Amino acid sequence: NAGVTQTPKFQVLKTGQSMTLQCAQDMNHEYMSWYRQDPGMGLRLIHYSVGAGITDQGEVPNGYNVSRSTTEDFPLRLLSAAPSQTSVYFCASSYRDRGVYEQYFGPGTRLTVT
Amino acid sequence: KQEVTQIPAALSVPEGENLVLNCSFTDSAIYNLQWFRQDPGKGLTSLLLIQSSQREQTSGRLNASLDKSSGRSTLYIAASQPGDSATYLCAVNTGFQKLVFGTGTRLLVSP
Repeated sequence: NAGVTQTPKFQVLKTGQSMTLQCAQDMNHEYMSWYRQDPGMGLRLIHYSVGAGITDQGEVPNGYNVSRSTTEDFPLRLLSAAPSQTSVYFCASSYRDRGVYEQYFGPGTRLTVT
Repeated sequence: KQEVTQIPAALSVPEGENLVLNCSFTDSAIYNLQWFRQDPGKGLTSLLLIQSSQREQTSGRLNASLDKSSGRSTLYIAASQPGDSATYLCAVNTGFQKLVFGTGTRLLVSP
């Protein structure tokens, strides 16, 4: 298994541009989520999904859009990039195994918005 | 709103010392608590997960405890090694796999 994969690893955008951060997992996990990590603030939840076709907002959803058309993929769309969205973005997935949910994280995408 | 605090923010110890990292949370209604390790520029690696009904979990030189009623967890690292140098993150699961993270403890173990 490749686990949780994210592309690209690095990205530079200009203010106002849009882009999609890709996330995929090959473990047939039902839950997937997106977090952003900023210095001094820890990781914060952007959006999450409890299964294909079902998504919901996390703590900091503004400026981001998600969809979950398949179990494997959970892309994060930046609609109109702003400097405040400069951050490291992590995708995570999890499933229930013997009553225990454990989260697995991807390697991250480092985004800079100028 | 759930808040997670980790103390200390940074810790520097000589190799071989036993050490304790602290994590506290404000709302005891959690499903589980997970400790992660993060190396610079890398993703998160899960170290230990404690279910809300459990008191502790152990893996090798690591031991994590959970006191849900007081909103506290500790990560004990025995006989620290330079390879343990990293940032350690604590996160509580508030339901539907939504994690609330602390800001981490940056550990440096010197040879």
